Amino acid sequence: GESVGLHLPTLSVQEGDNSIINCAYSNSASDYFIWYKQESGKGPQFIIDIRSNMDKRQGQRVTVLLNKTVKHLSLQIAATQPGDSAVYFCAERRGGSYIPTFGRGTSLIVHP
Amino acid sequence: ETGVTQSPTHLIKTRGQQVTLRCSSQSGHNTVSWYQQALGQGPQFIFQYYREEENGRGNFPPRFSGLQFPNYSSELNVNALELDDSALYLCASSLLDSRDTFGSGTRLTVV
Repeated sequence: GESVGLHLPTLSVQEGDNSIINCAYSNSASDYFIWYKQESGKGPQFIIDIRSNMDKRQGQRVTVLLNKTVKHLSLQIAATQPGDSAVYFCAERRGGSYIPTFGRGTSLIVHP
Repeated sequence: ETGVTQSPTHLIKTRGQQVTLRCSSQSGHNTVSWYQQALGQGPQFIFQYYREEENGRGNFPPRFSGLQFPNYSSELNVNALELDDSALYLCASSLLDSRDTFGSGTRLTVV
């Protein structure tokens, strides 16, 4: 079936390193992608989004890259901090649908 | 600006019982969505309400039902609870076709 998935379930980095979290999607009709951060005991928090007519978007310390050719999405976090430790989810929405599909998530662990 | 609030935070129910979870949407938002998040998984979309009507539904049986009120708050009702219904239930509010703002969820345990 069509789905959104993540390559790595856990990513451990040192404080100050750059982190890259990857996500694959299989539905070429997906036209909107969102990255969420979920800390323990909390709901997902919006980080950054990107539409399919773009291939890169930058926020504060975060960059999302979209490669439609290989149906791949990545989240780059610069100068990772202990406060970035959380589970990160990518979600996609297919054209004309309000229903988002979430991937399983990647746990990011930042060591001081 | 008040965010999305959910009640209760934790709940334990017995198999076969019914449960009602509540959600107050963020000020200014007119759309509410509910998600089920099993342990170690991403949120799964249950349904969305807009202007007090169901506006989309995921792959969940009819024993999952909801309501949206004129003040845009919402309820999620689950009948005939099963053990597999144990999960974190997330409410999210938004303006229609905008990204969701999530609450902290209700942790439901079915025993």
